[in-house]
Amino acid sequence: DTGVSQDPRHKITKRGQNVTFRCDPISEHNRLYWYRQTLGQGPEFLTYFQNEAQLEKSRLLSDRFSAERPKGSFSTLEIQRTEQGDSAMYLCASSLVPPDREGGSNQPQHFGDGTRLSIL
Amino acid sequence: QKEVEQDPGPLSVPEGAIVSLNCTYSNSAFQYFMWYRQYSRKGPELLMYTYSSGNKEDGRFTAQVDKSSKYISLFIRDSQPSDSATYLCAMSLYNNNDMRFGAGTRLTVKP
Repeated sequence: DTGVSQDPRHKITKRGQNVTFRCDPISEHNRLYWYRQTLGQGPEFLTYFQNEAQLEKSRLLSDRFSAERPKGSFSTLEIQRTEQGDSAMYLCASSLVPPDREGGSNQPQHFGDGTRLSIL
Repeated sequence: QKEVEQDPGPLSVPEGAIVSLNCTYSNSAFQYFMWYRQYSRKGPELLMYTYSSGNKEDGRFTAQVDKSSKYISLFIRDSQPSDSATYLCAMSLYNNNDMRFGAGTRLTVKP
């Protein structure tokens, strides 16, 4: 079963360092989403892609956060100059939206197991 | 007031019990309603996905949506120890790009 894959599973870094996480969506899925989840809370939406286009990024937490999906397949989420408050689980999800409904359609999102970021 | 409210529990029940999990929300424009199960150190796993009001059943799970009351429920029949997890409700507008989650209810089913 080739579900959503995230790498690494756990990242420990010092404050001020840059980190990058990778997400490989389910192969036929054209939408890819990033969420952040802190302890005791539900996931919080950050950004999403339709193929290679980033269609929503206003919810990224600060300008230190950026995401790419250069070829419309895997995606990366980068955090620059990490801070203590960035410690969280970063989740990726993907979904398949049929081409004739790309203007606005709701399809269930399937999540990976996340990357747990710990800032020392 | 949060957009989606969910009692964090914890909730503990004996094996075989019927479990009722609930969420309330404030945005009447939500149209899609989801329940996810999340085991410790794992990502959320989609359990139920419903549109608008009504009931949906899948095996031991039943999801109910009451849009007039802005209230959704998940029922688990014949609960099993393997059901022990955190259950997250989520909802979104017509365009599913931004799901809003509850904080999750932690459930323990004791053998």
